Amino acid sequence: GNSVTQMEGPVTLSEEAFLTINCTYTATGYPSLFWYVQYPGEGLQLLLKATKADDKGSNKGFEATYRKETTSFHLEKGSVQVSDSAVYFCAPMGAGGTSYGKLTFGQGTILTVHP
Amino acid sequence: SAVISQKPSRDICQRGTSLTIQCQVDSQVTMMFWYRQQPGQSLTLIATANQGSEATYESGFVIDKFPISRPNLTFSTLTVSNMSPEDSSIYLCSGEAGTDTQYFGPGTRLTVL
Repeated sequence: GNSVTQMEGPVTLSEEAFLTINCTYTATGYPSLFWYVQYPGEGLQLLLKATKADDKGSNKGFEATYRKETTSFHLEKGSVQVSDSAVYFCAPMGAGGTSYGKLTFGQGTILTVHP
Repeated sequence: SAVISQKPSRDICQRGTSLTIQCQVDSQVTMMFWYRQQPGQSLTLIATANQGSEATYESGFVIDKFPISRPNLTFSTLTVSNMSPEDSSIYLCSGEAGTDTQYFGPGTRLTVL
């Protein structure tokens, strides 16, 4: 099955700082890759996705590029805001066989942004 | 996209009892899943809810403890049976409508005393 190694947190930044959260994965085949975000007290929301190599997913100023050669999907944002404080999860989706459609979640990275 | 609701949103239960969580999707979805998020932890897949047939469970999860129903393409239930404090978690359902994207419900926060 798939596995994910996600940058450990917590990460604490000042507003307008640059953010990188690293994510590498192992998978059979070519999975679709996702970043989900969980704001305090809320459910899980899709942040962005990429479905094939070299695709770049983007949303709300966040970006991540599907790097097949390094099996990575690092999340970046050029200027974080206090409202970005949340837990971020990297998750590949199983591409076939018994893994099809199943998400494997990283351990989550807690981001806190201070004014 | 799909909008997913869950009931109840939270509950406090006594040891040894059972709780059934409902998951409703506003449109037909191909696949539905149930996940558990233990306190301070990531999400772990419990099972795939199959429409019209028995659920498919992941390693470490069994039907007697987590019976699942999925009578149609928009609804599923998860029961947490014979609960113990170790079952205190957030339980989330998700749906995937063939767009290669899973959408999640808001979760059910369960506390077992």
